Amino acid sequence: KQEVTQIPAALSVPEGENLVLNCSFTDSAIYNLQWFRQDPGKGLTSLLLIQSSQREQTSGRLNASLDKSSGRSTLYIAASQPGDSATYLCAVRSSGGSYIPTFGRGTSLIVHP
Amino acid sequence: GAVVSQHPSRVICKSGTSVKIECRSLDFQATTMFWYRQFPKQSLMLMATSNEGSKATYEQGVEKDKFLINHASLTLSTLTVTSAHPEDSSFYICSARLTGGYEQYFGPGTRLTVT
Repeated sequence: KQEVTQIPAALSVPEGENLVLNCSFTDSAIYNLQWFRQDPGKGLTSLLLIQSSQREQTSGRLNASLDKSSGRSTLYIAASQPGDSATYLCAVRSSGGSYIPTFGRGTSLIVHP
Repeated sequence: GAVVSQHPSRVICKSGTSVKIECRSLDFQATTMFWYRQFPKQSLMLMATSNEGSKATYEQGVEKDKFLINHASLTLSTLTVTSAHPEDSSFYICSARLTGGYEQYFGPGTRLTVT
C-alpha cells in the first residue's frame, strides 16, 4: 500500500526566502505525482503534475522535481511571498491501479511580511 | 474548463438529522466521482468511488449505510450523511474524473458541522 509522507509539517518563513518542501513515497511504481495548494477551508488547486518519466516541472516561481527510484519529490518555491501562505499537498498515483491518488498530510506554510 | 462545484459550501445540522451534499461537474461529463473527507491538519482520505448508474465502491472502514452516495447522472453525485453525529463533522471534498481520462478535478469542499 502506497504511503506518502510530507516534511516539514509546518513552516514559517520571512518573505523573500527560497523554500523546499519534501514529499516521500514508499512504492516507486508510480504513474505520476502531483502537488496541490489548499487554502484554509477551500478545495485543492493543482500546481504541478510530474509524470513518472519526467524529472521536473516548472511553473513560474515553482519547481517540482521527482526522483522515482528514491521515492522522493521536492517542491521548490523561489522568492516566497505572503500570498504563498497555504497548505501544500503531495499526491501520488500508483501505476497498475485505478489512478486514485494517495495524499500526504501536507505542509502548512506561512510566509510573513 | 474542468470545473467542479459543491453545494452547500457550509452546513450546520443537528445530531440525528441527515444532510445531503451535491457535487457537480459543470463543463464536462464525469463517469466517476470521488468523495474524500479531511480532518484538521490531516490528509484527504478517500471515502468512496462513485460510478454513474451503479453502486458506489466504499473504502475499508467507511459505513455505506451512513454515507449514502448516488451518482444519477454524468454530472452529479450526491453524498448523504445519515443520522449525523458530531464526530461526522469534517470537510468533505469531491472530485470528478473526466470520462475516458484519469485526471481528477476537485471541488471547493463542504464544511459540515454537526451540533
